[in-house]
Amino acid sequence: GAGVSQTPSNKVTEKGKYVELRCDPISGHTALYWYRQSLGQGPEFLIYFQGTGAADDSGLPNDRFFAVRPEGSVSTLKIQRTERGDSAVYLCASREIPTGGGSEAFFGQGTRLTVV
Amino acid sequence: GNSVTQMEGPVTLSEEAFLTINCTYTATGYPSLFWYVQYPGEGLQLLLKATKADDKGSNKGFEATYRKETTSFHLEKGSVQVSDSAVYFCALSDQGSQGNLIFGKGTKLSVKP
Repeated sequence: GAGVSQTPSNKVTEKGKYVELRCDPISGHTALYWYRQSLGQGPEFLIYFQGTGAADDSGLPNDRFFAVRPEGSVSTLKIQRTERGDSAVYLCASREIPTGGGSEAFFGQGTRLTVV
Repeated sequence: GNSVTQMEGPVTLSEEAFLTINCTYTATGYPSLFWYVQYPGEGLQLLLKATKADDKGSNKGFEATYRKETTSFHLEKGSVQVSDSAVYFCALSDQGSQGNLIFGKGTKLSVKP
């Protein structure tokens, strides 16, 4: 597609349930990032993939959060035993060049997760 | 660790007013600096960037200059329009990293006709 696509755009789930959030990056982009944006805050880094491997997962808040990118394209962020504090907008971004700070990252519109 | 501090909003201006949104950073080494914009109902978009000291990024009438001596990257526009109403985020990327972005909290700008 033309841009980064995230599905669903909105997700409401009950506390304790499991959720999966999907990201389709721009074709050919080897670097993929997940961020979380809480209300009134800037996006916070969660995890970075270079190809199929998670090169840096230091931003994942705890072991309830996990992400995969099995074929080096689509990525899924998985949250187990959701808590109300997980409510946020989850953003995905992709970049053509995996390293170096100066190239542009393209963001999806995000998935708004609400845990009730 | 690396961090970005930007001016808190919201900021409300009349059309054609001058805009400044302050941004300062803390980083080791020589980060790249960015301004991203989020229009209502849309995703984050890169507005402009600068990759080394004294570089000036510019786009759509917005400008920001990478000032290493003051560790700042303030966003300016000489004459804002209603269509500039959005949330603006300052961000940095450490040159030694995988390109992870560190964002400020964002500044909401509302421009009234």
